[in-house]
Amino acid sequence: ILNVEQSPQSLHVQEGDSTNFTCSFPSSNFYALHWYRWETAKSPEALFVMTLNGDEKKKGRISATLNTKEGYSYLYIKGSQPEDSATYLCAFNDYKLSFGAGTTVTVRA
Amino acid sequence: ETGVTQSPTHLIKTRGQQVTLRCSSQSGHNTVSWYQQALGQGPQFIFQYYREEENGRGNFPPRFSGLQFPNYSSELNVNALELDDSALYLCASSLFWIGQGNTEAFFGQGTRLTVV
Repeated sequence: ILNVEQSPQSLHVQEGDSTNFTCSFPSSNFYALHWYRWETAKSPEALFVMTLNGDEKKKGRISATLNTKEGYSYLYIKGSQPEDSATYLCAFNDYKLSFGAGTTVTVRA
Repeated sequence: ETGVTQSPTHLIKTRGQQVTLRCSSQSGHNTVSWYQQALGQGPQFIFQYYREEENGRGNFPPRFSGLQFPNYSSELNVNALELDDSALYLCASSLFWIGQGNTEAFFGQGTRLTVV
């Protein structure tokens, strides 16, 4: 069973502040890392699929970096807005998706 | 282009019963995978179907079984339900097998199963 860990488990951010959180995964046999945003009562929404060491991806105010050699990825939210409140999941792809437990972000107005 | 849809949205079953959950893939997607999410955990991989054949299975007992149909829709069947089977069941479809390239998986909203 693959060990994919996310930290912190939850965080509260003031509107307008920036934040980041971590996903750690096995550094051997890396294939791809996926990030999802999951809002309450909705489907998980694909944010990024990252495959290359040093990869950086951006979607609006959200960006992610990838370090496959040390086995971690950071997700950044710049200038948090209330609509960013969600659980952010990372998943290690080794021909199936192995998910972490997620980081729940609450943005306070 | 329609998204991934799952039915039913909620279901209550009695221990020992059998249940069938359904998933309609996004148009053009030939791969479907199923996940179980228990409270406080991330989704756990159950199995994946690629062009109607099982193509990978997680650590779930044989009473969890599935089918993929020629139109690439899918069913998850669970026999002899146990209380611990209570969870959110998610279905995801992708254009290619999940291990191929930069394939994204698109999820449905899930079916909440409660076993009493």
